[in-house]
Amino acid sequence: DAGVTQSPTHLIKTRGQQVTLRCSPISGHKSVSWYQQVLGQGPQFIFQYYEKEERGRGNFPDRFSARQFPNYSSELNVNALLLGDSALYLCASSLVADRDGRQYFGPGTRLTVT
Amino acid sequence: AQSVTQPDIHITVSEGASLELRCNYSYGATPYLFWYVQSPGQGLQLLLKYFSGDTLVQGIKGFEAEFKRSQSSFNLRKPSVHWSDAAEYFCAVGFSGGYNKLIFGAGTRLAVHP
Repeated sequence: DAGVTQSPTHLIKTRGQQVTLRCSPISGHKSVSWYQQVLGQGPQFIFQYYEKEERGRGNFPDRFSARQFPNYSSELNVNALLLGDSALYLCASSLVADRDGRQYFGPGTRLTVT
Repeated sequence: AQSVTQPDIHITVSEGASLELRCNYSYGATPYLFWYVQSPGQGLQLLLKYFSGDTLVQGIKGFEAEFKRSQSSFNLRKPSVHWSDAAEYFCAVGFSGGYNKLIFGAGTRLAVHP
């Protein structure tokens, strides 16, 4: 079975632009979470979606938004990009919404903001 | 507030030597604890987890970890390190607020000398 997939692998954007990152969960998984990993730090939780509804949000500004589609894939949108948004964005999927659900991580999207 | 501390940023060991990576957590309730490994260009792979029960947990690739509530620690160990173990290791605690959020430490980068 395919694991969690993310696209694109890499992208470069300019300050002020907008970006959309995509994630496809493991088949049968209804929960998708997004994490930001800045170089030299551990991942930080951004959002969790379960059954197309937001279940949790981390301490990120409103420039960050996400949604989940009927097929459980998800998009993360970041508006008005700042240099500090440069990071590896990780998507994780799980069967259930609470902490009993093991999270499976994708390879990430490397975003560089210039 | 929940937090995870990994005191060692970098560790270098010789191949065949034993390894211990330290992790301390701050959490008000019974913690769910995890160790993940991240190799360059790859996502996070779960090594092992502790939810309850036996405080010594076995994981993949010959790793084990011991939960010590009195010390708020969950240290990762391996009796004999292989060159392929060189990677970044993250300790995490699972948030219990009704959704699936992991709180990660800053990571420990492991280098293995031949």
